Amino acid sequence: DAGVTQSPTHLIKTRGQQVTLRCSPKSGHDTVSWYQQALGQGPQFIFQYYEEEERQRGNFPDRFSGHQFPNYSSELNVNALLLGDSALYLCASSLNGQGSVGEQFFGPGTRLTVL
Amino acid sequence: AQKVTQAQTEISVVEKEDVTLDCVYETRDTTYYLFWYKQPPSGELVFLIRRNSFDEQNEISGRYSWNFQKSTSSFNFTITASQVVDSAVYFCALSEAFTHAGKSTFGDGTTLTVKP
Repeated sequence: DAGVTQSPTHLIKTRGQQVTLRCSPKSGHDTVSWYQQALGQGPQFIFQYYEEEERQRGNFPDRFSGHQFPNYSSELNVNALLLGDSALYLCASSLNGQGSVGEQFFGPGTRLTVL
Repeated sequence: AQKVTQAQTEISVVEKEDVTLDCVYETRDTTYYLFWYKQPPSGELVFLIRRNSFDEQNEISGRYSWNFQKSTSSFNFTITASQVVDSAVYFCALSEAFTHAGKSTFGDGTTLTVKP
């Protein structure tokens, strides 16, 4: 049973460019959340997708956008990259528990470096 | 607003010592969930425990134990007889109830180093 997978593993971009990160949830999971983890800090919630819609959003600008596909996989897009966007981007999947708080499974992350 | 504080940035112990990682949280919600995660050098967060705000029973799982005290808004994590493989960054997190664990607020983590 495959866990959460993310691609690519590492990415180097320059300021102003755009980037797309990808996530495939654990088998059977339908909810995907994205987090940004800066060096030496805890993960910060970006947004969550369920049924192909953004359901919750953290305190991130509109440069951060996402998408969820019918197979529950998800993309995170960041436009107009800034140096401060350099971080580990984590994807987490869970099963919609109709109000219950489910256990999240995290992927290995994508390390984004903006030069 | 929710907040999680892990005051210990780094802890270093010698193998077989017991170690406690502190977590203090703030929330206005009466119903919420608390989590602990382990992040080894590979970067992947590993779920350790989830506790809801109505369950203040302490929990033990092998060498791991958790002490939840609502009165002091603390959810501390103890590793008994630590091992080198326990070396990692440990995160405490808080989540609103009736949402999916997605919108969790994390502390900044405690880096635990266990020396042989």
